[in-house]
Amino acid sequence: RKEVEQDPGPFNVPEGATVAFNCTYSNSASQSFFWYRQDCRKEPKLLMSVYSSGNEDGRFTAQLNRASQYISLLIRDSKLSDSATYLCVVTRPNNAGNMLTFGGGTRLMVKP
Amino acid sequence: DADVTQTPRNRITKTGKRIMLECSQTKGHDRMYWYRQDPGLGLRLIYYSFDVKDINKGEISDGYSVSRQAQAKFSLSLESAIPNQTALYFCATSGGQTSGIYEQYFGPGTRLTVT
Repeated sequence: RKEVEQDPGPFNVPEGATVAFNCTYSNSASQSFFWYRQDCRKEPKLLMSVYSSGNEDGRFTAQLNRASQYISLLIRDSKLSDSATYLCVVTRPNNAGNMLTFGGGTRLMVKP
Repeated sequence: DADVTQTPRNRITKTGKRIMLECSQTKGHDRMYWYRQDPGLGLRLIYYSFDVKDINKGEISDGYSVSRQAQAKFSLSLESAIPNQTALYFCATSGGQTSGIYEQYFGPGTRLTVT
């Protein structure tokens, strides 16, 4: 089983739609969680951290469910510019101290 | 100016050649990382360094070596390039335990093709 699993998609949605991605992780000791965005052939960029109480940044809402070990990202009022791959990222506690494990990404395509 | 820079941005080389990819950062972070990304496989960690005197192998270090010349510089070498090392390579930095900042910040990537 992969440490971080995501549906690769693609999710094809019209502009203005609401879309949600889920991600599951296997290490119950993980402490920090993030969503990154990656445009084609570009570097991953931090979209938002995910906090236990859930958090919102504009049209983006992230939720964490520790009991079920999954993380979600909700995008409201999708824009064409939201088209990208979204990476779920989880810290892996070890002797080296909280390395990051990246999911394979979920591809989103927003259509006019 | 970008906080994390990589050179070269694109490189085509032949099998058996030695090649070095360089990374510099102005974020003042202690930790630096090298990843490769292949279609369908996501990001895989090659090497990481928590400070100038600390170098550690990642999950796919065979065929690669690194050098941490200074806090701000971390280079990746392919001693004898082979075609299956064709990939997109990213350098990243993070603050680590002293700062409590674990999120990583990536450079723009180097697209390497080995023929």
